[in-house]
This record gives sequence, structure tokens and C-alpha cells, in this order.
Amino acid sequence: DVKVTQSSRYLVKRTGEKVFLECVQDMDHENMFWYRQDPGLGLRLIYFSYDVKMKEKGDIPEGYSVSREKKERFSLILESASTNQTSMYLCASSTGLQETQYFGPGTRLLVL
Amino acid sequence: QKEVEQNSGPLSVPEGAIASLNCTYSDRGSQSFFWYRQYSGKSPELIMFIYSNGDKEDGRFTAQLNKASQYVSLLIRDSQPSDSATYLCAGVRSNYKLTFGKGTLLTVNP
Repeated sequence: DVKVTQSSRYLVKRTGEKVFLECVQDMDHENMFWYRQDPGLGLRLIYFSYDVKMKEKGDIPEGYSVSREKKERFSLILESASTNQTSMYLCASSTGLQETQYFGPGTRLLVL
Repeated sequence: QKEVEQNSGPLSVPEGAIASLNCTYSDRGSQSFFWYRQYSGKSPELIMFIYSNGDKEDGRFTAQLNKASQYVSLLIRDSQPSDSATYLCAGVRSNYKLTFGKGTLLTVNP
């Protein structure tokens, strides 16, 4: 069974704080993804990584950065959190870019 | 036109009926399509994937892909109350990015 874990289920941060969201997968998948999910807007791709230290912008990368130093771990960084980054953040991984993505449980982030 | 569009719903069907969920996509280069189910407060879980034109069946679920019409659908036969969830259609675009529709909320009434 593929297992994707995320560091926190719920997180409350203040505007301007630097926020780290961590994701770990245990299936040796090449590709990892970060999405956010908002009511009425659906799931939107923020960044993805197709190899260690490789990253590519998704559809809404502004205000975010990522880090992939090890194959199993993909971090999403909010350099200076803003209230419009309050959302559900979902991490996923896959063997190939055309293959099934498996999702972690999500982190619900509230920025005050 | 949005990349992936789903019939907005919500959709309500009686237990035992067939639920039909539909999706269209705009990128003709899209090759792979997925249906995910998402229960309230949970993350999406894969139901089916389909790459080739035609039908693909897995138990009570049938996915259909028509690349000429840029249309993907999911049929759920003998719907159960446990099938009540939001169903997400997704396609991998020609730039390898997965794009999701906004989802269709399905309610199966006992």
C-alpha cells in the first residue's frame, strides 16, 4: 500500500510567518506534488517535483516555494504567510507523470 | 473554457440506481484520465483510471473515454449510500500537469 504522510493535520499561523509543510512517501515514487483545495475552486497544482532537487511550477506557484532534498520528502514553504493562503494543502506522489497520484491526508492551514 | 469541466451537480439518486457523472476536457493532448472519490474532510482516493478510448469496467464502476469528443464519464451501478461523496475528474495535460474538475457531489438516498 502506498503511504503518503503529511506533517500536520491542522496548523494555525500568523500573517508574515514562514510556514513549512512536509510530505513523506514510502513507495520510492519519482514524482511528488503539492495542491491546495478551496471551496468553489477545486484542487489546484502549486508545484511538483520529478526528481530529487528538481522542481517545476504548477498553476498557482506565487507565494510558495518547495524543496526536495531526498526522494521521499517534499516540502512546501510559505515564505511569508498571508490570509489568502488559508486552505487545505494536499500532497501526492506517483511513479510517473501520467500515472495515478496517491494523496496524503491533507493539512488544513489557517492564517490569521 | 476551463481545462476540465464536470457537470456541476449536486446529483441525487435513489439506492440501487445508476449514477452518471460526466466530464469534458479542453486539451486534446491529454492522455490519462482519473476518477477520484473524496469524502467530506478526507483526501481524494482513486476509483479508476482510463487511458484508451472506450469503456473500462471495475466492479460497479465503469469509466468511459471518448477522445474525439473530449469526454470522460463514470457510471456507478447499483449505487449505495456509501457512494455518497464528491467525485473528481482529472486529466493529465500535454504539459504533464494533472488538472482537476471542481467535482460533483453525489448523494445516494436509502
